[in-house]
Amino acid sequence: DVKVTQSSRYLVKRTGEKVFLECVQDMDHENMFWYRQDPGLGLRLIYFSYDVKMKEKGDIPEGYSVSREKKERFSLILESASTNQTSMYLCASSLAGSGQGADTQYFGPGTRLTVL
Amino acid sequence: AQRVTQPEKLLSVFKGAPVELKCNYSYSGSPELFWYVQYSRQRLQLLLRHISRESIKGFTADLNKGETSFHLKKPFAQEEDSAMYYCALGALGDYKLSFGAGTTVTVRA
Repeated sequence: DVKVTQSSRYLVKRTGEKVFLECVQDMDHENMFWYRQDPGLGLRLIYFSYDVKMKEKGDIPEGYSVSREKKERFSLILESASTNQTSMYLCASSLAGSGQGADTQYFGPGTRLTVL
Repeated sequence: AQRVTQPEKLLSVFKGAPVELKCNYSYSGSPELFWYVQYSRQRLQLLLRHISRESIKGFTADLNKGETSFHLKKPFAQEEDSAMYYCALGALGDYKLSFGAGTTVTVRA
């Protein structure tokens, strides 16, 4: 059974702080994703990674960066947190490699971030 | 670019009644389509994907390429079906999924 874990369930930060959200998966998945989930907007992709040290921007990358130094770990970084980044952040992973197309994504429990 | 539309934000049905959640997509190629569900206080999880053609928890979804739809159906809703449901689309050769805005289903006793 795939297990995706996220470092915190709830996080409260101040405007301007640097914020790190961490995600770990234990199934040797190649692809990892960061989304934010907002009511009425669904899931919006922030960044994804299809291999170690590889990353691509999603639909809403502004204000975020990512790091993937090891296959199992994918970090989301808010360089200078702002109130409009208050949201639920979901991490996901999937197995399929290059050319195989979209595969089932497995999600972590989410981190609810509040920026004051 | 691909797009997924779930026209209903909220859906309320009585227990035992049929329920249908609509999902329309725009994509010129052959799509990979998924339904995900999020129960209260639980993580988002796969409900079903069209390629597997399985019926999960009594739900089925049929891909209609002519109407570009992938509606989710269940003939008799149960209270435990109350949840948020997301339709998602994967394009050929892509790792990503495009999600709809989601539909919140409430099943009343």
